[in-house]
Amino acid sequence: DAGITQSPRYKITETGRQVTLMCHQTWSHSYMFWYRQDLGHGLRLIYYSAAADITDKGEVPDGYVVSRSKTENFPLTLESATRSQTSVYFCASRPGGTNTEAFFGQGTRLTVV
Amino acid sequence: AQKVTQAQTEISVVEKEDVTLDCVYETRDTTYYLFWYKQPPSGELVFLIRRNSFDEQNEISGRYSWNFQKSTSSFNFTITASQVVDSAVYFCALSEGGRDDKIIFGKGTRLHILP
Repeated sequence: DAGITQSPRYKITETGRQVTLMCHQTWSHSYMFWYRQDLGHGLRLIYYSAAADITDKGEVPDGYVVSRSKTENFPLTLESATRSQTSVYFCASRPGGTNTEAFFGQGTRLTVV
Repeated sequence: AQKVTQAQTEISVVEKEDVTLDCVYETRDTTYYLFWYKQPPSGELVFLIRRNSFDEQNEISGRYSWNFQKSTSSFNFTITASQVVDSAVYFCALSEGGRDDKIIFGKGTRLHILP
């Protein structure tokens, strides 16, 4: 299917475990982003990527790792999950150029117990 | 550093009333881009509009209108004759021009339209 997809949609994990959230887009967009959404905080940028093998920290990068070996994929890894990382995570992509909007995935609801 | 402030955390209005959602931004760039997104109860993020810093014309799309004022660094969103289906969280966002193309969002305004 064309578009941007996230998997899994829901995930429950235990404190201290490693978990990876997947993001895949079929448009060959240059830019990809990871946000987390928490009540009272809106959408906060975790990491973003301008192209394959180029990643940058966003507003709240601590505790997260990203990679981008292929243009279409941008996985987000929580190396040792903590309860404070319980959130809804959104992946987004946009074409090159800053005059374009970002397109969002459906979100992944992650619960760390 | 870029910043977006949506001071209204939550607004409730009765159906058919007009409502304005405020957005104030901060940036050092002269070239930048502003966006509004809607997040209905189903949770997806829906793009509504983008505006570049060189275009200060107001925009109208049906019941929606946007007022961009560089002098006050504001990009406000008005819904005319609100409907229950407008109930959602609305986000304002900013992207600066140049190499760094990240998009920073405000905290959002939750809008309740009461029947």
